[in-house]
Amino acid sequence: EIVMTQSPATLPVSPGERATLSCRASQSVTSNLAWYQQKPGQAPRLLIYGASTRATGIPARFSGSGFGTEFTLTISSLQSEDVAVYYCQQYNVWPPLAFGGGTKVEIK
Amino acid sequence: QVQLVESGGGLVKPGGSLRLSCAASGFTFSDYYMSWVRQAPGKGLEWVSFISGTSTYTDYADSVLGRFSISRDNAKNSLYLQMNSLRAEDTAVYYCARVMGQQLYDYWGLGTLVTVSS
Repeated sequence: EIVMTQSPATLPVSPGERATLSCRASQSVTSNLAWYQQKPGQAPRLLIYGASTRATGIPARFSGSGFGTEFTLTISSLQSEDVAVYYCQQYNVWPPLAFGGGTKVEIK
Repeated sequence: QVQLVESGGGLVKPGGSLRLSCAASGFTFSDYYMSWVRQAPGKGLEWVSFISGTSTYTDYADSVLGRFSISRDNAKNSLYLQMNSLRAEDTAVYYCARVMGQQLYDYWGLGTLVTVSS
């Protein structure tokens, strides 16, 4: 079973600054990695899949990178509406499908 | 547009049963795998189960195996989750999600809350 670990748990970022979120897999998931955004009281929304492909309608300030076991989600210029919890998910080996524990992005 | 609407949640006693439903619209339902994902209060996301478009293939998380059963009715564009022998640790918001390609989720419902408590 693949375990996904996200860091940090909480990330305070000033408006307009860059936010960098990390996700590590316990074994290689190649590029089969997705990122989701969950705003308070809402369902998750797909942001990135294939480690680096933005989903439909996702702003260009969101980008993903990585391969194998180390992945990064970058928000190039944080907006107030980006306050949310971000989850990574591997879909290379399943079942089970594994999510990370999440990173909460907040305004500093 | 794609819509997923869950229903059937509520308060149930430990050991009880509940059946969740998810009504889908805006896409050809039978073409897609579908999945249930849950989120305990204040916690992260946990995959529960998925089912193939023709119901040929299903699978479950170890935590619900033998207690939960996923099914679908393509004629009614509906997904179901039968939950038996419920435990306190099953308390969560249950989301219905459409599977895109290789088991990632491109559309989610708003969720339905299941509370297991005496």
